[in-house]
Amino acid sequence: GAVVSQHPSWVICKSGTSVKIECRSLDFQATTMFWYRQFPKQSLMLMATSNEGSKATYEQGVEKDKFLINHASLTLSTLTVTSAHPEDSSFYICSADGIHGELFFGEGSRLTVL
Amino acid sequence: QKEVEQDPGPLSVPEGAIVSLNCTYSNSAFQYFMWYRQYSRKGPELLMYTYSSGNKEDGRFTAQVDKSSKYISLFIRDSQPSDSATYLCAGNELGGATNKLIFGTGTLLAVQP
Repeated sequence: GAVVSQHPSWVICKSGTSVKIECRSLDFQATTMFWYRQFPKQSLMLMATSNEGSKATYEQGVEKDKFLINHASLTLSTLTVTSAHPEDSSFYICSADGIHGELFFGEGSRLTVL
Repeated sequence: QKEVEQDPGPLSVPEGAIVSLNCTYSNSAFQYFMWYRQYSRKGPELLMYTYSSGNKEDGRFTAQVDKSSKYISLFIRDSQPSDSATYLCAGNELGGATNKLIFGTGTLLAVQP
């Protein structure tokens, strides 16, 4: 299947700092990428849909000023958690869509905010 | 009511058993259905996808969709300890406003050696 790479896989930061997570499609072009958040023992919660060359579409309840998404090219989308706080600690996962609507996921990025 | 319902488990089976994982959904517009496997602290891995009703087989895995009853299943034959993971079902109304997968909560499977 298609390969989606996510970096960093693990990050610890101090409260109030910003953290950027990168999501790359390695062997295909992705017009659309998706960002999910997953808390322990819970399912994936869609945060936003990232469209190449345009603004991201955020799900209800997700603060767009806190979770900045940029999709500058067909192979790269970034999620920046601004002014991170301990409650933002979570597992963030990106994905890119295939032609049948299936999603190919990155390995995830575990964020811990102290 | 959630759009996709899935028993969270955990489901514990002995090695070699046949495993049946199930989901129900409420959105009649769903056309594509997927099963993902997620190991702890990893991103989900696509196992299988099916379109509309019917069966699809891939090695030890069989995915089944019954749109009339809005029921989707994943069967694992000759289960192995390496199959121990969380299994997520998902539906997609491809062709709708957004290409957005709706996930179930996942079923935690433990295959005992």
